[in-house]
Amino acid sequence: AQSVSQHNHHVILSEAASLELGCNYSYGGTVNLFWYVQYPGQHLQLLLKYFSGDPLVKGIKGFEAEFIKSKFSFNLRKPSVQWSDTAEYFCAVTASDSNYQLIWGAGTKLIIKP
Amino acid sequence: DAGVTQSPTHLIKTRGQQVTLRCSPKSGHDTVSWYQQALGQGPQFIFQYYEEEERQRGNFPDRFSGHQYPNYSSELNVNALLLGDSALYLCASSITGMGSYEQYFGPGTRLTVT
Repeated sequence: AQSVSQHNHHVILSEAASLELGCNYSYGGTVNLFWYVQYPGQHLQLLLKYFSGDPLVKGIKGFEAEFIKSKFSFNLRKPSVQWSDTAEYFCAVTASDSNYQLIWGAGTKLIIKP
Repeated sequence: DAGVTQSPTHLIKTRGQQVTLRCSPKSGHDTVSWYQQALGQGPQFIFQYYEEEERQRGNFPDRFSGHQYPNYSSELNVNALLLGDSALYLCASSITGMGSYEQYFGPGTRLTVT
């Protein structure tokens, strides 16, 4: 079945550690890829997006993600996390195969220990 | 510039009742999408409205219906509520034709069905 998979439901890191959150999708055709973040008590907001071009995209707050088409992946990275990065992170995909509906992963809860 | 607003914030209903949730899109946006987010899961697409018509629909029963008004605001109606309808209902707005996949989210309405 077509889906978006986030490998880790909970991640706990210390400040200054490097972060990589995995996202894989199983849609074919043209895809648009997103990472959204939800800080405690706040709305979902867009971190970064990939539509086309350079597969390495940079977002807000020092986050970046790399689209690897051959692996159907769009992993989120940050070289050095801060306590303020504690949040829930969602990967989402639109695909021509799914009529461009926004399909979401289950989310990863990230906790940064000060 | 007001972002996406939703009302009410919280709602408690009894099984079998009907509920209406409301959403005002971000200024300048013409498209409204509705999502259901159950606890511990990513959002699930319900439907999208554009030009006062339902443009796309996810895998939700006909008990879920909507409306969009000429000022682009939108309502989500759920009839014959079930316990399983308890969730956070998110509204997102976007601009069709300008990367409509980039959506801005409201704070959500927390619906509890008892």
